[in-house]
Amino acid sequence: SQTIHQWPATLVQPVGSPLSLECTVEGTSNPNLYWYRQAAGRGLQLLFYSVGIGQISSEVPQNLSASRPQDRQFILSSKKLLLSDSGFYLCAWRTSGRNEQFFGPGTRLTVL
Amino acid sequence: GQSLEQPSEVTAVEGAIVQINCTYQTSGFYGLSWYQQHDGGAPTFLSYNALDGLEETGRFSSFLSRSDSYGYLLLQELQMKDSASYFCAVTRDPDDKIIFGKGTRLHILP
Repeated sequence: SQTIHQWPATLVQPVGSPLSLECTVEGTSNPNLYWYRQAAGRGLQLLFYSVGIGQISSEVPQNLSASRPQDRQFILSSKKLLLSDSGFYLCAWRTSGRNEQFFGPGTRLTVL
Repeated sequence: GQSLEQPSEVTAVEGAIVQINCTYQTSGFYGLSWYQQHDGGAPTFLSYNALDGLEETGRFSSFLSRSDSYGYLLLQELQMKDSASYFCAVTRDPDDKIIFGKGTRLHILP
């Protein structure tokens, strides 16, 4: 069976500090991978998505970046966090051509 | 660009039926999905429509009209545990991008 892992679950970081959130998927190969951010009580904003190793599409210009160094690993990074980067970060995967998208448990980031 | 519109909040009574509407505007439309999210949790998949018509899964049904760029989620025999946020999401073709609406908060009264 397939599982998706995200860590850490919660994170408190000062403004200007770097960020690295990791997502890994097990039990499938060549998944489409997605990073979303959700502000408190708001919708899901698509940040990045990837259809293969090294292939990253960015949706919103910002100080975040993403990388996919391995088939089932997706990393979200920032060199300097802003207050506005606070939110609930969700990683998701989907098999191309299939309907269902599976979400990880999320990372709740607070930037102070 | 793309956009999805759905009501921000809906209130219904336990045991009743509620419909959550979603209108969308996008290029390369492939399908419309619905997700449920409880407070503090991750979204979970409920249903998907690629063709016009109604898809039924237990107490939940979803409808799509491609010509009207419109869909809805129908929840029957509401239970208190159905209190959650519900998101419609468009899957685009050919880039496989999935865009979510802002979500509808469903409040259920006993």
